[in-house]
Amino acid sequence: DSGVTQTPKHLITATGQRVTLRCSPRSGDLSVYWYQQSLDQGLQFLIQYYNGEERAKGNILERFSAQQFPDLHSELNLSSLELGDSALYFCASSAGTSGSYNEQFFGPGTRLTVL
Amino acid sequence: GENVEQHPSTLSVQEGDSAVIKCTYSDSASNYFPWYKQELGKRPQLIIDIRSNVGEKKDQRIAVTLNKTAKHFSLHITETQPEDSAVYFCAARDSGAGSYQLTFGKGTKLSVIP
Repeated sequence: DSGVTQTPKHLITATGQRVTLRCSPRSGDLSVYWYQQSLDQGLQFLIQYYNGEERAKGNILERFSAQQFPDLHSELNLSSLELGDSALYFCASSAGTSGSYNEQFFGPGTRLTVL
Repeated sequence: GENVEQHPSTLSVQEGDSAVIKCTYSDSASNYFPWYKQELGKRPQLIIDIRSNVGEKKDQRIAVTLNKTAKHFSLHITETQPEDSAVYFCAARDSGAGSYQLTFGKGTKLSVIP
């Protein structure tokens, strides 16, 4: 157990819908990262938040957005869902302190299926 | 941004043999290179990492080497066991200030045949 929690574990929805994925980082970690892993694909970085502020953006679609709340949990919002959005979505957290190498600890993931 | 290439995409070895996975990166300013192991249906887990001021690091049967000049790094697993079967991802840390973003390779599916 990495200490990073994600809910829900599985999510099945229809095209055009909107869903919210939730992540709670390890205690004390300030950075949260979101990744998308499609079938037979690697880990695609979506977005990073540090202490409530967006820090880096990767290949995140405009239909997707995220935020990090004062208690440091994060939510990833996916809207106007398409079949191609079906994937495993991982959240990771790290201490995020300046000067450290910041090992990222991954949560168990949320498997999203869009029908 | 950073680009990480990983080879091979699949690798089969006999139990007890060694396995080598290679990665190259594009950003010469990258300074941290972790390796993650992902078993089927599970989360990626860090197995070893190396920093740019070190050329080699070993942890029991696992070792990682880094060649900064050539911008490539490799994972070596010796005396492979069936439980080593998994997908392995290399990554490089983006040099963007304060980002700590990791760019991952596409993964290598390692199968250890008993």
